[in-house]
Amino acid sequence: ETGVTQTPRHLVMGMTNKKSLKCEQHLGHNAMYWYKQSAKKPLELMFVYSLEERVENNSVPSRFSPECPNSSHLFLHLHTLQPEDSALYLCASSQAGGGTDTQYFGPGTRLTVL
Amino acid sequence: GESVGLHLPTLSVQEGDNSIINCAYSNSASDYFIWYKQESGKGPQFIIDIRSNMDKRQGQRVTVLLNKTVKHLSLQIAATQPGDSAVYFCAEGGNRGSYIPTFGRGTSLIVHP
Repeated sequence: ETGVTQTPRHLVMGMTNKKSLKCEQHLGHNAMYWYKQSAKKPLELMFVYSLEERVENNSVPSRFSPECPNSSHLFLHLHTLQPEDSALYLCASSQAGGGTDTQYFGPGTRLTVL
Repeated sequence: GESVGLHLPTLSVQEGDNSIINCAYSNSASDYFIWYKQESGKGPQFIIDIRSNMDKRQGQRVTVLLNKTVKHLSLQIAATQPGDSAVYFCAEGGNRGSYIPTFGRGTSLIVHP
């Protein structure tokens, strides 16, 4: 276990549904991240939060909406998704944020959009 | 643009052999590099890292080599075991202060018993 948990592990949703992904870290870290992992593509950084403030939004469509209520919890709210949004969504945390920080990943949520 | 890439998408080895996974990067200002292992159904796990002021770092059965001249990174796994079968990613930590690490596409390591 890495100290980062994600729920649900699997999610199937229609294009008109609204759902949320949850991430929780038990490592006392100050930065949290959302990544998208599609088959045969590099990990794509979506959002970065440092001390509960969003510090990076990597040109992600507005149908993805992050929320970071405190340094231990991170949510990704989903609405009116498209089939091409089907992927593994990974959450990670790191001590302080920044490109030289080691990130610890959760197991991911496998999302399928019908 | 800046990129991190992997030379081979799949590497097959016999149990007990040594494995070498390669990675190229293009940002000469990068000063931190990480290798991650991702097993099926799990998120990436940190294996080993190296900073640009070093050219070699060893862990338990793993060694990372950094050649800044040709901007090349490699991960060596000694006495490869079936449990080493996974996808391995290199990541460029980027410049200090940057929040955006850059990940390679990944190499799938298959270990045959």
